[in-house]
Amino acid sequence: AQSVSQHNHHVILSEAASLELGCNYSYGGTVNLFWYVQYPGQHLQLLLKYFSGDPLVKGIKGFEAEFIKSKFSFNLRKPSVQWSDTAEYFCAPCDTGGFKTIFGAGTRLFVKA
Amino acid sequence: KAGVTQTPRYLIKTRGQQVTLSCSPISGHRSVSWYQQTPGQGLQFLFEYFSETQRNKGNFPGRFSGRQFSNSRSEMNVSTLELGDSALYLCASSIDRETGEAFFGQGTRLTVV
Repeated sequence: AQSVSQHNHHVILSEAASLELGCNYSYGGTVNLFWYVQYPGQHLQLLLKYFSGDPLVKGIKGFEAEFIKSKFSFNLRKPSVQWSDTAEYFCAPCDTGGFKTIFGAGTRLFVKA
Repeated sequence: KAGVTQTPRYLIKTRGQQVTLSCSPISGHRSVSWYQQTPGQGLQFLFEYFSETQRNKGNFPGRFSGRQFSNSRSEMNVSTLELGDSALYLCASSIDRETGEAFFGQGTRLTVV
């Protein structure tokens, strides 16, 4: 069965610190990979996506993620976080065969100004 | 262009009642997915519709049902409401069934008392 695990549920960082959020998924077939973000009081929105090709993908607001096929991982990174990055982040693999996107439990990031 | 619209935004219902939530996808999007979001369980996949057909369903009881109309608008229905059904119900639309890239609405906050 398809599953996804996010390693950190709560992360607190100071501005300018580097960020890495872990995500591992389990699925035997072809998946597309997404990170979504939910800012306080706002709806979920796409941060970045990976379908194929270069395993290092860049998204909005300086975020990037690296797909490592052998580890079934799709970790999110940002070299220097800002206070405005305070939000909840969701890793979401999508089974392209059945079009079923499974969301991780989410990581709440709080950035101290 | 207009985003995903969910109505109503807030609902209060009594145990045992039923409720219908509505979702209007982005124009041209034919796939609609529904999710239940709670603090304890995170985002749980309910079902996905494409061209009026339910193509995938999550692990929810039969009290949860949905449908999609020819204009891609979708409704979900919950019968015999229970206190545990209190949650934020999110609708997401996608332009196709292959990529999985989803655009989310603001959600309907359902409270069962």
